[in-house]
Amino acid sequence: DIQMTQSPSSLSASVADRVTITCRASQSVSDYLNWYQQKPGKAPKVLIYGASSLQTGVPSRFSGSGSGTDFTLTISSLQPEDFATYYCQQTYTTPYTFGQGTRLDIK
Amino acid sequence: QVQLQESGPGLVKPSETLSLTCTVSGGFINNNYWSWIRQSPGKGLEWIGYIHSTGNTDYNPSLKSRVTISVDTSKNQLSLSLTSMTAADTAIYYCARERNWNQVWFDSWGQGILVTVSS
Repeated sequence: DIQMTQSPSSLSASVADRVTITCRASQSVSDYLNWYQQKPGKAPKVLIYGASSLQTGVPSRFSGSGSGTDFTLTISSLQPEDFATYYCQQTYTTPYTFGQGTRLDIK
Repeated sequence: QVQLQESGPGLVKPSETLSLTCTVSGGFINNNYWSWIRQSPGKGLEWIGYIHSTGNTDYNPSLKSRVTISVDTSKNQLSLSLTSMTAADTAIYYCARERNWNQVWFDSWGQGILVTVSS
C-alpha cells in the first residue's frame, strides 16, 4: 500500500493567516492526489482533486500543488469556517489511502 | 445534486455480519463508481472498496476476505457486507461517489453511520 504522511499533525493559526499543509507519499502517485476538509460530525468534503484542481463551489483561497511524492495544500487567508481537519488521499492505485489528518484550530 | 444515505444497524455483535445499504437520490447509480470508506479513531480513514454500476468491484486487500459490495440499479442502492465483525471494525461507515474523469476523487458522501461492535 502507498503510505501518505501529512505534516504537521496539528496546527494553530489565526484568522487571515496563510497556512500550508504538506502531504508526502511513500512512492510516486503522479498527480492523483486529493484534499478533503472534515468538520466534527460531518463527512469529508473534497476541496482539491488532481493535486491542483479546485472542486466546484470551493473558495479560491484554497489551492493545491505538487506532483510525484510531495504535495501542499495552501489556504491563503484563513476564515473562521476553515478551522477543521484536513486529509490528503491518493487515488493513483488501489487500495486508495489517506493521510492521518492535520487538525487546524484557532490560536 | 446527488445525495447518499447510509442505513443499517448501529450495533453488531462480535463474529456477526454487518449489512449496510446506501441509497442514492438526485441522480442515477448507473455509469459511476461507488465506494465504501470507514473512519475509526485508531485507523483514521480507510477505503474499503468500490463497485461500478456494471458490477465490477475492487476491495482493500486488508478486508478482501470479509467484504462484499453489491449494487441494485433498480433501487438505486449499493450494499456492503462485512463478515466476522470484531471490535476493530467499530467505525463510522460512509458511502461515496467516485468521480473518474482522468482523475479520481470522491465528490459526494453520505452522512455516515456509526457501527459499534459489542456483545
